[in-house]
Amino acid sequence: DTGVSQNPRHKITKRGQNVTFRCDPISEHNRLYWYRQTLGQGPEFLTYFQNEAQLEKSRLLSDRFSAERPKGSFSTLEIQRTEQGDSAMYLCASQSGTEAFFGQGTRLTVV
Amino acid sequence: GESVGLHLPTLSVQEGDNSIINCAYSNSASDYFIWYKQESGKGPQFIIDIRSNMDKRQGQRVTVLLNKTVKHLSLQIAATQPGDSAVYFCADSGYSSASKIIFGSGTRLSIRP
Repeated sequence: DTGVSQNPRHKITKRGQNVTFRCDPISEHNRLYWYRQTLGQGPEFLTYFQNEAQLEKSRLLSDRFSAERPKGSFSTLEIQRTEQGDSAMYLCASQSGTEAFFGQGTRLTVV
Repeated sequence: GESVGLHLPTLSVQEGDNSIINCAYSNSASDYFIWYKQESGKGPQFIIDIRSNMDKRQGQRVTVLLNKTVKHLSLQIAATQPGDSAVYFCADSGYSSASKIIFGSGTRLSIRP
């Protein structure tokens, strides 16, 4: 257990539905990252926060995706109108200093 | 653009032997590199890192070598154990440890008894 908690661990949803994932980082870690990982691939960067400020968003993050970190602590990642191509593992990581700690991820399956 | 890539998607090693996993990167301005281990069903786990002002760094049973001339990175695992079975990623954090982390595609290490 790295101390980064992600919920839910698994989510199955029908195409077109909205889903929201939550990440609770290690307390007082000021940087928080979201990644997406598909089978056989490395994690792909989606976005990151420095405290409550969202500093960068990947081109992968279409307008159906939105992430927030309202109080600089936990973060949510919402996907609207899910598509089958959104099926993946969504990873969250928090960092203070050099080392980033990853959660166990939320596995999304869109049917 | 920025990219890191592993040389081999899979590597099979005899238990007790040393493992060497290789990686290439394209951004000559990259300053900070990290190796991660990912076991099935888990998130990536930090193993060791190295800055561009170093060419070698050692941890417990692991050594990372950096060759900036050819933009090559390697992870050496000494006396490989069954618990080392995992996918290993090299990652590039650009200009500093405070930049976003870009992962390569990974090498799956399997251990033969």
